[in-house]
Amino acid sequence: AQSVTQPDIHITVSEGASLELRCNYSYGATPYLFWYVQSPGQGLQLLLKYFSGDTLVQGIKGFEAEFKRSQSSFNLRKPSVHWSDAAEYFCAVVSNTGGFKTIFGAGTRLFVKA
Amino acid sequence: DTAVSQTPKYLVTQMGNDKSIKCEQNLGHDTMYWYKQDSKKFLKIMFSYNNKELIINETVPNRFSPKSPDKAHLNLHINSLELGDSAVYFCASSQVSGRRNSNTEAFFGQGTRLTVV
Repeated sequence: AQSVTQPDIHITVSEGASLELRCNYSYGATPYLFWYVQSPGQGLQLLLKYFSGDTLVQGIKGFEAEFKRSQSSFNLRKPSVHWSDAAEYFCAVVSNTGGFKTIFGAGTRLFVKA
Repeated sequence: DTAVSQTPKYLVTQMGNDKSIKCEQNLGHDTMYWYKQDSKKFLKIMFSYNNKELIINETVPNRFSPKSPDKAHLNLHINSLELGDSAVYFCASSQVSGRRNSNTEAFFGQGTRLTVV
């Protein structure tokens, strides 16, 4: 069955430092992969997506992610974190087994310290 | 223009009551979903409808009954509310037909925080 694993429940980085959030997926075919961000009390906003082509994808707010098939990973990165980036980040994969749906990882909570 | 809107944003109710959450999307998508986010932030799909037809029902208690009057609306009715139903419920939509292009992501509403007391 398709699944998404985010190994880090929470991460703390200093403002201005670089960030990498890990995501591993399990999917038989070429996956559709996404990163969403959820600010406190808010809905989910799409940061970026991968479905084919260039394995390094650029998203909004200065985020990027790299698809590595050999490692079944889709890690999210940002070179310099801002305090406003503090939020919950979800990696997701679209599955069409038993109906088309988005399957989410458990999320990684990002804390940013001054 | 809100793409996916759901009402109400907050809902506090007593155990045993029946309540509904409404969702509308103006994106022209053919598929709509309900997700439940628990206190640990875990997001799990409950239902999906494609062109008003139920496609996914992920072992949700039958106290939960989705209704899709048209493909732009997917409402969630909950009977006999229980304490464990307290969560944030998200509506979402996506375009499934004719996919295998870049436009396959789900768009989410702002969520409805349901508190059962």
